[in-house]
Amino acid sequence: DTGVSQDPRHKITKRGQNVTFRCDPISEHNRLYWYRQTLGQGPEFLTYFQNEAQLEKSRLLSDRFSAERPKGSFSTLEIQRTEQGDSAMYLCASSFLPGGSETQYFGPGTRLLVL
Amino acid sequence: GQQLNQSPQSMFIQEGEDVSMNCTSSSIFNTWLWYKQDPGEGPVLLIALYKAGELTSNGRLTAQFGITRKDSFLNISASIPSDVGIYFCAGRTGTASKLTFGTGTRLQVTL
Repeated sequence: DTGVSQDPRHKITKRGQNVTFRCDPISEHNRLYWYRQTLGQGPEFLTYFQNEAQLEKSRLLSDRFSAERPKGSFSTLEIQRTEQGDSAMYLCASSFLPGGSETQYFGPGTRLLVL
Repeated sequence: GQQLNQSPQSMFIQEGEDVSMNCTSSSIFNTWLWYKQDPGEGPVLLIALYKAGELTSNGRLTAQFGITRKDSFLNISASIPSDVGIYFCAGRTGTASKLTFGTGTRLQVTL
């Protein structure tokens, strides 16, 4: 399978715990995006990387959130001191630029439930 | 955060019927994308549009990039049970790389 992969697919944690999610983009895709999707809503942008550089962060990304892409391949998204409001689906997408028109391909997501 | 306006919010149709849904924005977009999402999965790209007025088909799906660049339409012809899911429009403005998503249209197909 050469699509975007995410791990874990599901995570249940207690309020106050830290969690980390991993995303492996499509091979050779240089851009990687994180989105968050709450129930009944469309995905909302959190942050994105071009290679190792984090180029943009949304206001949704509070100080408790940090994302990395240390070698320009996989990325991790960490949430510290989780809150119940962090419960959502966290989606990763990747794309290649330049390469004509940029198209983002999404992974299956990590569903987080904070108790 | 900002989300595009999609309508209808949900649709219940019979197998074989045609479906139309649209997406509108108060801002000009230079890219429109249509995705389908099944429960518990990530969005899957259906059609991408890059020019105002562009009409693109993918099998039974046809989408158009509105002339005003503030809207887009998706049509599904002869619906089948596997068309069930949530359809999202998404767009990109100016030089932005991030996508802004619509609120989704939930499609239910009855036999």
